[in-house]
Amino acid sequence: AQTVTQSQPEMSVQEAETVTLSCTYDTSENNYYLFWYKQPPSRQMILVIRQEAYKQQNATENRFSVNFQKAAKSFSLKISDSQLGDTAMYFCAVLQGGSEKLVFGKGMKLTVNP
Amino acid sequence: DAGVTQSPTHLIKTRGQQVTLRCSPKSGHDTVSWYQQALGQGPQFIFQYYEEEERQRGNFPDRFSGHQFPNYSSELNVNALLLGDSALYLCASRSGRGAFSYNEQFFGPGTRLTVL
Repeated sequence: AQTVTQSQPEMSVQEAETVTLSCTYDTSENNYYLFWYKQPPSRQMILVIRQEAYKQQNATENRFSVNFQKAAKSFSLKISDSQLGDTAMYFCAVLQGGSEKLVFGKGMKLTVNP
Repeated sequence: DAGVTQSPTHLIKTRGQQVTLRCSPKSGHDTVSWYQQALGQGPQFIFQYYEEEERQRGNFPDRFSGHQFPNYSSELNVNALLLGDSALYLCASRSGRGAFSYNEQFFGPGTRLTVL
């Protein structure tokens, strides 16, 4: 069974600073995908960034980047130049290749302060 | 493009009742998945529908059932409601085409179900 652990329940950061959200996961498969989703108070889950396990290069999307350590089963998200609109719950998730079942962590509440 | 839409937004039921939640996928999507998100938790996979059939199911009892219509929209039905069924129910859609790649899932805003 796949599991995802987000050990930090809550973090806060000042606007324009950089923050890193941690995530560890467990899966027995070699073919899988990793995701970070953002859920603002509006409740809509939005994909922030994805990483295919077979790719060694860390994914980057504008201010968002990941540090994917496959051997350690670690998948952290770095948010640079934090903005007020980044305030949200952030969920790490893993998807086994060929499966439809996204397995989520418990989430982490990020607050960006002005 | 309206994205994934869900109805109703909120719903209040009493224990033992039955409820039906509805989802319209994003235009061009044919695969619909349902998730239950309890307060303070991450979403949990209920099941996924493709070509009007349930293709994969999570660890949920048979009280949870679903349906997909020819236009790809979907319903989630929960019978004999329990207090523990109170949660945000999320629908997600994606295109099932592309055997060797994973197409992004788009989530709807959810239906907040409260069971009293």
